[in-house]
Amino acid sequence: QSVLTQPPSVSGAPGQRVTISCTGSGSNIGAGYHVHWYQQLPGTAPKLLIYGNNNRPSGVPDRFSGSKSGTSASLAITGLQAEDEADYYCQSYDTTLSGWVFGGGTKLTVL
Amino acid sequence: QVQLQESGPGLVKPSQTLSLTCTVSGGSISRGDYFWSWIRQHPGKDLEWIGYIHYSGSAYYKSSLKSRLTISLDTSKNQFSLNLSSVTAADTAVYYCARGTPSPYGADWGWFDPWGQGTLVTVSS
Repeated sequence: QSVLTQPPSVSGAPGQRVTISCTGSGSNIGAGYHVHWYQQLPGTAPKLLIYGNNNRPSGVPDRFSGSKSGTSASLAITGLQAEDEADYYCQSYDTTLSGWVFGGGTKLTVL
Repeated sequence: QVQLQESGPGLVKPSQTLSLTCTVSGGSISRGDYFWSWIRQHPGKDLEWIGYIHYSGSAYYKSSLKSRLTISLDTSKNQFSLNLSSVTAADTAVYYCARGTPSPYGADWGWFDPWGQGTLVTVSS
């Protein structure tokens, strides 16, 4: 059971917008810690997609955006493309566990 | 740019010690305020942060693994290593090394980038 809760799967047609939620608690996201997002394409390592709640590293398309409110965060992907099909993970810090924690991952299927 | 590469045995017997090394290229492990980390991904795909070492030599471990885990640094080789003792089948996972970057607020607000390609370690007799 992951400390951060994500939906197991989401799907959308090419060109559509999808969102992936990441729900935490008062000891992690709700405590003010930043949320970061990673994209893991099949057979590869996770790659940083969003850092500091809503910042994109160089090279990440602006179709990807992040937001945070209260004890939750969201990743939004607009203009869905076939190449976006991957697993997505959120990450934050937890004061109770005294360490970094990840969500269980969400598999995005592009229909 | 900085790249990381894991190396080590892919098969470890139960009760033995799992040892992996991460070689960093494209940048010095001794520069910056990064926390050089190990993260593993279990077969069910859950990601688990294991621990990190700072270039100063100070290490910090996940509390549930603390009694079995040692992370060390070799600045002359630009490498850091993981030793996990008394392994069981539950330690079977893909092990990644990654560079942790602290945010301006501090390490706790930080993220991991880049990651190594990962290495599968199976614990089995």
